[in-house]
Amino acid sequence: EVQLVESGGGLVQPGGSLRLSCAASGFTFSGYAMSWVRQAPGKGLEWVSTISGNGFSAYYADSVKGRFTISRDNSKDTLYLQMNSLRAEDTAVYHCARHTSGWYYFDHWGQGTLVTVSS
Amino acid sequence: IQLTQSPSSLSASVGDRVTITCRASQGISSYLAWYQQKPGKAPKLLIYTASTLQSGVPSRFSGSGSGTDFTLTISSLQPEDFATYYCQLLNSYRWTFGQGTKVEIK
Repeated sequence: EVQLVESGGGLVQPGGSLRLSCAASGFTFSGYAMSWVRQAPGKGLEWVSTISGNGFSAYYADSVKGRFTISRDNSKDTLYLQMNSLRAEDTAVYHCARHTSGWYYFDHWGQGTLVTVSS
Repeated sequence: IQLTQSPSSLSASVGDRVTITCRASQGISSYLAWYQQKPGKAPKLLIYTASTLQSGVPSRFSGSGSGTDFTLTISSLQPEDFATYYCQLLNSYRWTFGQGTKVEIK
């Protein structure tokens, strides 16, 4: 069974940093692109970042480019999101999600971890 | 490319036929997916490539469309279907979601 479990969320001040982790199990982690998708309180889904299975290619939403860095450790089956220069508008539940083989869609999601940016 | 869902919310009764529309600002062939999300839960992939049902999804869900106009239909609404539904596409390594349609109990 595919499982994705996020951790690392919490309360951080504006301008601060946080690193999220997503532990994967139940599939060959290195064989899949992975993403972070966030959801602000009471709002819809917003794609944040994607990384290829081998970690060589990464893509970012304009709203986080230059501030967030996605990475993965395939030896640990873990996905990361380093978030710097955090803003109030980054407050959201952050889900990790596995891509389908063609990268088009997200076929498995984690429950998410809440990041709150507030002074 | 932008995705616009309509309606933003709807009220329906158990057994009703429900249709949700997703319109793309440019033609996207058939590379569109639909997700269901219940409060406090992760989204669930329902349909991909506009009309292909994900494994394990009940057959009362169906999708259609191509180009710019797409539809998600629930043929007979069940109590467990009350949720928010999102369409989604990929374009130039940008993954975009519609704003969501909340299906509520009448």
